[in-house]
Amino acid sequence: EAGVAQSPRYKIIEKRQSVAFWCNPISGHATLYWYQQILGQGPKLLIQFQNNGVVDDSQLPKDRFSAERLKGVDSTLKIQPAKLEDSAVYLCASSSVWGAQVRGPLHFGNGTRLTVT
Amino acid sequence: DAKTTQPPSMDCAEGRAANLPCNHSTISGNEYVYWYRQIHSQGPQYIIHGLKNNETNEMASLIITEDRKSSTLILPHATLRDTAVYYCIVRVAVVQGAQKLVFGQGTRLTINP
Repeated sequence: EAGVAQSPRYKIIEKRQSVAFWCNPISGHATLYWYQQILGQGPKLLIQFQNNGVVDDSQLPKDRFSAERLKGVDSTLKIQPAKLEDSAVYLCASSSVWGAQVRGPLHFGNGTRLTVT
Repeated sequence: DAKTTQPPSMDCAEGRAANLPCNHSTISGNEYVYWYRQIHSQGPQYIIHGLKNNETNEMASLIITEDRKSSTLILPHATLRDTAVYYCIVRVAVVQGAQKLVFGQGTRLTINP
């Protein structure tokens, strides 16, 4: 099966500019996640979707970050305006739902490396 | 949230078994232990998960102690391609039927030739 696709692979912007990342999950996966990974740290969950609804966005800096999942498939994560501390790798992951509980492991894309200068 | 503790780094000789420990003393009875690894410039890759019993797949074996307070990931014959950061994660906060994985700092495993 095709994996989780993300684009772009790399992005360099100046602070206060805006940027958007795109994710296409594995076909049929109902749950989609966006993680932020700062250099030297483990991934941190930003937002979690179940189909096209938000399940958890408690760690998302909502004053500058937004995310949507149109029609429960592709997803876009946006930052506006960007700050220097937003420099990180943004990872998208998806998982399947088995019955009433999510059991399938997360499948990650290779991420978008964002550098804010 | 159940938390995990892992050594920051480990070394292992190529061809030998790599044993990666993880402590999760506050784990709840219905929480699974997951292991992922991350090779440089790639996204995390699922390895294995378990609840109570030991598990084995084509990649690794997972040994969970009887009290479930710790576990060990075993790579039986480590190769240079197994050099990566290994994350031990306890699934937390099942919200609306969806799992939530909280990553720690992981163990940086280096396989030496």
